[in-house]
Amino acid sequence: AQSVSQHNHHVILSEAASLELGCNYSYGGTVNLFWYVQYPGQHLQLLLKYFSGDPLVKGIKGFEAEFIKSKFSFNLRKPSVQWSDTAEYFCAVRGYQKVTFGTGTKLQVIP
Amino acid sequence: EPEVTQTPSHQVTQMGQEVILRCVPISNHLYFYWYRQILGQKVEFLVSFYNNEISEKSEIFDDQFSVERPDGSNFTLKIRSTKLEDSAMYFCASGGPIRSGANVLTFGAGSRLTVL
Repeated sequence: AQSVSQHNHHVILSEAASLELGCNYSYGGTVNLFWYVQYPGQHLQLLLKYFSGDPLVKGIKGFEAEFIKSKFSFNLRKPSVQWSDTAEYFCAVRGYQKVTFGTGTKLQVIP
Repeated sequence: EPEVTQTPSHQVTQMGQEVILRCVPISNHLYFYWYRQILGQKVEFLVSFYNNEISEKSEIFDDQFSVERPDGSNFTLKIRSTKLEDSAMYFCASGGPIRSGANVLTFGAGSRLTVL
Protein backbone atom coordinates (compact mmCIF):
# COMPACT_ATOMS: atom_id res chain seq x y z
CA ALA A 1 0.00 0.00 0.00
CA GLN A 2 1.20 3.50 -0.69
CA SER A 3 1.47 6.15 2.02
CA VAL A 4 2.75 9.67 2.46
CA SER A 5 4.13 11.40 5.55
CA GLN A 6 4.41 15.11 6.03
CA HIS A 7 6.24 15.86 9.23
CA ASN A 8 5.59 19.58 9.50
CA HIS A 9 1.98 20.22 10.43
CA HIS A 10 2.17 23.95 10.89
CA VAL A 11 4.96 26.25 9.76
CA ILE A 12 5.16 29.97 10.45
CA LEU A 13 7.65 32.07 8.51
CA SER A 14 8.36 35.71 7.97
CA GLU A 15 8.26 37.09 4.46
CA ALA A 16 11.49 36.51 2.51
CA ALA A 17 12.41 33.50 4.63
CA SER A 18 13.29 30.27 2.89
CA LEU A 19 10.90 27.34 2.99
CA GLU A 20 11.41 23.62 3.01
CA LEU A 21 8.52 21.24 3.66
CA GLY A 22 9.31 17.60 4.17
CA CYS A 23 7.56 14.72 2.43
CA ASN A 24 8.36 11.03 2.61
CA TYR A 25 6.50 8.30 0.83
CA SER A 26 6.35 4.56 0.74
CA TYR A 27 5.44 2.48 -2.27
CA GLY A 28 7.00 -0.61 -3.73
CA GLY A 29 6.96 0.36 -7.39
CA THR A 30 7.39 3.33 -9.68
CA VAL A 31 5.75 6.42 -8.27
CA ASN A 32 4.60 9.74 -9.47
CA LEU A 33 4.88 12.53 -6.92
CA PHE A 34 3.00 15.77 -6.54
CA TRP A 35 2.63 18.83 -4.40
CA TYR A 36 -0.78 20.43 -4.26
CA VAL A 37 -1.66 23.74 -2.63
CA GLN A 38 -4.97 24.79 -1.11
CA TYR A 39 -5.36 28.51 -0.52
CA PRO A 40 -7.90 29.54 2.12
CA GLY A 41 -11.41 28.91 0.83
CA GLN A 42 -10.20 27.50 -2.47
CA HIS A 43 -9.77 24.10 -4.03
CA LEU A 44 -6.68 21.98 -4.53
CA GLN A 45 -4.29 23.21 -7.19
CA LEU A 46 -1.28 21.43 -8.62
CA LEU A 47 2.03 23.12 -7.71
CA LEU A 48 4.40 20.68 -9.36
CA LYS A 49 4.84 17.05 -10.30
CA TYR A 50 7.56 14.47 -10.79
CA PHE A 51 7.19 11.55 -13.17
CA SER A 52 10.74 10.75 -14.27
CA GLY A 53 13.98 12.38 -15.42
CA ASP A 54 15.57 15.33 -13.64
CA PRO A 55 14.86 14.83 -9.93
CA LEU A 56 14.75 18.58 -9.36
CA VAL A 57 11.41 19.82 -10.62
CA LYS A 58 10.24 23.38 -10.84
CA GLY A 59 6.65 24.39 -10.38
CA ILE A 60 4.54 27.48 -10.38
CA LYS A 61 5.12 30.54 -8.21
CA GLY A 62 8.81 29.85 -7.65
CA PHE A 63 8.37 26.50 -5.93
CA GLU A 64 10.62 23.54 -6.59
CA ALA A 65 10.93 20.02 -5.21
CA GLU A 66 13.67 17.42 -5.24
CA PHE A 67 13.03 13.71 -5.58
CA ILE A 68 15.60 11.69 -3.65
CA LYS A 69 14.88 8.05 -4.39
CA SER A 70 17.26 6.66 -1.78
CA LYS A 71 15.50 8.63 0.93
CA PHE A 72 11.97 8.17 -0.43
CA SER A 73 11.61 11.91 -0.14
CA PHE A 74 10.14 14.72 -2.21
CA ASN A 75 10.68 17.92 -0.26
CA LEU A 76 9.18 21.21 -1.37
CA ARG A 77 11.31 24.35 -1.35
CA LYS A 78 11.03 28.02 -2.06
CA PRO A 79 13.95 30.42 -1.53
CA SER A 80 11.86 33.41 -0.44
CA VAL A 81 8.23 33.14 0.65
CA GLN A 82 5.60 35.81 0.30
CA TRP A 83 2.50 36.55 2.37
CA SER A 84 0.43 35.22 -0.54
CA ASP A 85 2.00 31.78 -0.05
CA THR A 86 -0.08 31.34 3.10
CA ALA A 87 -1.95 28.12 2.38
CA GLU A 88 -2.03 24.43 3.11
CA TYR A 89 0.38 22.25 1.14
CA PHE A 90 -0.24 18.60 0.40
CA CYS A 91 2.30 16.10 -0.81
CA ALA A 92 0.79 13.24 -2.82
CA VAL A 93 1.93 10.01 -4.38
CA ARG A 94 0.40 8.01 -7.16
CA GLY A 95 1.20 4.35 -7.49
CA TYR A 96 -1.04 2.17 -9.63
CA GLN A 97 -3.98 4.48 -10.03
CA LYS A 98 -5.22 6.43 -7.04
CA VAL A 99 -3.47 9.41 -5.52
CA THR A 100 -2.76 9.29 -1.80
CA PHE A 101 -2.33 12.55 0.06
CA GLY A 102 -0.28 13.43 3.08
CA THR A 103 -1.90 15.09 6.07
CA GLY A 104 -0.93 18.53 4.83
CA THR A 105 1.25 21.35 6.15
CA LYS A 106 -0.30 24.67 7.01
CA LEU A 107 2.05 27.48 6.06
CA GLN A 108 1.50 30.89 7.59
CA VAL A 109 3.64 33.72 6.24
CA ILE A 110 3.83 36.80 8.41
CA PRO A 111 4.34 40.13 6.61
CA GLU B 1 -7.93 26.26 -19.08
CA PRO B 2 -10.29 23.28 -18.76
CA GLU B 3 -11.71 22.74 -15.31
CA VAL B 4 -13.70 20.24 -13.30
CA THR B 5 -17.07 21.62 -12.24
CA GLN B 6 -18.92 20.53 -9.12
CA THR B 7 -22.45 21.21 -7.94
CA PRO B 8 -23.78 22.11 -5.47
CA SER B 9 -21.07 24.15 -3.82
CA HIS B 10 -22.75 23.70 -0.45
CA GLN B 11 -25.55 21.39 0.62
CA VAL B 12 -27.16 21.14 4.03
CA THR B 13 -29.18 18.02 4.72
CA GLN B 14 -30.82 16.16 7.55
CA MET B 15 -29.34 12.93 8.84
CA GLY B 16 -30.78 9.96 6.98
CA GLN B 17 -31.50 11.86 3.78
CA GLU B 18 -30.07 10.94 0.39
CA VAL B 19 -27.60 13.31 -1.22
CA ILE B 20 -26.29 13.42 -4.78
CA LEU B 21 -23.15 15.40 -5.55
CA ARG B 22 -22.51 16.15 -9.19
CA CYS B 23 -19.32 16.61 -11.13
CA VAL B 24 -18.55 17.46 -14.75
CA PRO B 25 -15.01 16.21 -15.45
CA ILE B 26 -12.75 17.57 -18.16
CA SER B 27 -14.18 16.36 -21.45
CA ASN B 28 -11.40 14.11 -22.75
CA HIS B 29 -10.50 12.63 -19.38
CA LEU B 30 -10.96 8.93 -18.76
CA TYR B 31 -10.26 8.52 -15.03
CA PHE B 32 -12.59 9.90 -12.39
CA TYR B 33 -12.25 10.14 -8.66
CA TRP B 34 -13.99 11.25 -5.52
CA TYR B 35 -12.05 12.42 -2.50
CA ARG B 36 -13.26 13.97 0.72
CA GLN B 37 -11.75 16.26 3.33
CA ILE B 38 -13.29 16.41 6.77
CA LEU B 39 -12.68 19.82 8.31
CA GLY B 40 -9.14 20.02 9.64
CA GLN B 41 -8.19 16.59 8.37
CA LYS B 42 -6.39 15.25 5.36
CA VAL B 43 -7.73 14.63 1.88
CA GLU B 44 -8.98 11.03 1.74
CA PHE B 45 -9.47 8.85 -1.30
CA LEU B 46 -12.98 7.46 -1.72
CA VAL B 47 -13.25 5.85 -5.13
CA SER B 48 -11.81 5.74 -8.63
CA PHE B 49 -13.81 5.04 -11.78
CA TYR B 50 -12.58 4.00 -15.20
CA ASN B 51 -14.23 2.45 -18.22
CA ASN B 52 -17.66 2.76 -16.63
CA GLU B 53 -16.85 0.85 -13.51
CA ILE B 54 -15.27 1.28 -10.11
CA SER B 55 -11.58 0.44 -10.34
CA GLU B 56 -10.70 0.98 -6.69
CA LYS B 57 -12.46 2.05 -3.51
CA SER B 58 -11.41 2.78 0.03
CA GLU B 59 -12.80 1.44 3.30
CA ILE B 60 -14.76 4.66 3.65
CA PHE B 61 -16.70 3.88 0.47
CA ASP B 62 -19.20 1.47 1.99
CA ASP B 63 -22.65 0.39 0.82
CA GLN B 64 -24.05 3.84 1.58
CA PHE B 65 -22.00 5.30 -1.25
CA SER B 66 -22.37 4.82 -4.98
CA VAL B 67 -21.03 6.47 -8.12
CA GLU B 68 -22.46 6.74 -11.56
CA ARG B 69 -21.65 8.24 -14.92
CA PRO B 70 -25.19 8.39 -16.24
CA ASP B 71 -24.79 10.32 -19.47
CA GLY B 72 -21.14 10.32 -20.48
CA SER B 73 -20.47 13.77 -19.06
CA ASN B 74 -21.64 13.87 -15.45
CA PHE B 75 -20.03 11.85 -12.69
CA THR B 76 -22.14 11.61 -9.55
CA LEU B 77 -21.58 10.54 -5.96
CA LYS B 78 -24.66 9.37 -4.07
CA ILE B 79 -24.87 8.94 -0.33
CA ARG B 80 -28.01 6.95 0.41
CA SER B 81 -28.60 7.75 4.05
CA THR B 82 -26.34 10.48 5.34
CA LYS B 83 -24.73 10.38 8.77
CA LEU B 84 -23.32 13.22 10.80
CA GLU B 85 -19.80 12.00 10.08
CA ASP B 86 -20.39 12.39 6.34
CA SER B 87 -20.08 16.15 6.79
CA ALA B 88 -17.04 17.09 4.73
CA MET B 89 -15.83 18.76 1.57
CA TYR B 90 -16.14 16.34 -1.32
CA PHE B 91 -13.74 16.80 -4.22
CA CYS B 92 -14.19 15.35 -7.66
CA ALA B 93 -11.11 14.85 -9.81
CA SER B 94 -10.42 13.64 -13.30
CA GLY B 95 -7.29 12.41 -15.04
CA GLY B 96 -6.29 12.74 -18.68
CA PRO B 97 -5.95 10.19 -21.45
CA ILE B 98 -3.03 7.81 -21.10
CA ARG B 99 -0.97 9.25 -23.93
CA SER B 100 -0.77 12.61 -22.14
CA GLY B 101 -0.24 11.11 -18.71
CA ALA B 102 -3.26 10.04 -16.74
CA ASN B 103 -1.39 10.61 -13.53
CA VAL B 104 -2.08 14.30 -13.03
CA LEU B 105 -5.46 14.85 -11.50
CA THR B 106 -7.39 18.07 -11.89
CA PHE B 107 -9.63 18.78 -8.94
CA GLY B 108 -12.94 20.57 -8.78
CA ALA B 109 -13.67 23.33 -6.29
CA GLY B 110 -15.47 20.90 -4.00
CA SER B 111 -18.97 20.42 -2.63
CA ARG B 112 -19.35 21.12 1.05
CA LEU B 113 -21.84 18.75 2.67
CA THR B 114 -23.23 19.57 6.08
CA VAL B 115 -25.33 16.89 7.77
CA LEU B 116 -27.49 18.07 10.68
